[in-house]
Amino acid sequence: QKEVEQNSGPLSVPEGAIASLNCTYSDRGSQSFFWYRQYSGKSPELIMSIYSNGDKEDGRFTAQLNKASQYVSLLIRDSQPSDSATYLCAASKPYNFNKFYFGSGTKLNVKP
Amino acid sequence: NAGVTQTPKFQVLKTGQSMTLQCAQDMNHNSMYWYRQDPGMGLRLIYYSASEGTTDKGEVPNGYNVSRLNKREFSLRLESAAPSQTSVYFCASSKSQGDTQYFGPGTRLTVL
Repeated sequence: QKEVEQNSGPLSVPEGAIASLNCTYSDRGSQSFFWYRQYSGKSPELIMSIYSNGDKEDGRFTAQLNKASQYVSLLIRDSQPSDSATYLCAASKPYNFNKFYFGSGTKLNVKP
Repeated sequence: NAGVTQTPKFQVLKTGQSMTLQCAQDMNHNSMYWYRQDPGMGLRLIYYSASEGTTDKGEVPNGYNVSRLNKREFSLRLESAAPSQTSVYFCASSKSQGDTQYFGPGTRLTVL
């Protein structure tokens, strides 16, 4: 079992719709969680970080964390073709916050 | 503000050759990291440096060595390249452990 699991996709949504990306993690001690966006051939860039249970909103993006169920999700409202990318979920390792577990990413396609 | 820079951008090596990948950050970050990214595997940590003067192994350190030259620079060395080391290599940095990691543009390495 991978430490962080993501559906590889592709997830296809029409422009203007809500895209929902999900991630589960296996280490109950993980404390910090991150969503990165990676365009093809480019480096990952941070979208959101979340540390506490509940929702965190930033513009069109909402991250949700449920530590009891060990999942993290990212909602993208009013999806745009420019949101088409691979989204990577990351969780910190407990007792060694320098080490992150990364999922293999979910590819999102937003169709005009 | 350049952020995290990496050189070279592309490199082709023959099996057995050696090379050093360079990374520098200008954000006054304490922690630096080297990852490799392979299709379907996500990002895997090779080595990290929690602070100047320290380095530690990540998930996949075999075949690599690192040097934290100073607070700004963190290099990755392949002593005897193997085809299995064909990958995209990313350097990242963070203010301190557990904080958001910021990635460089990557080095695409092919070992023939």
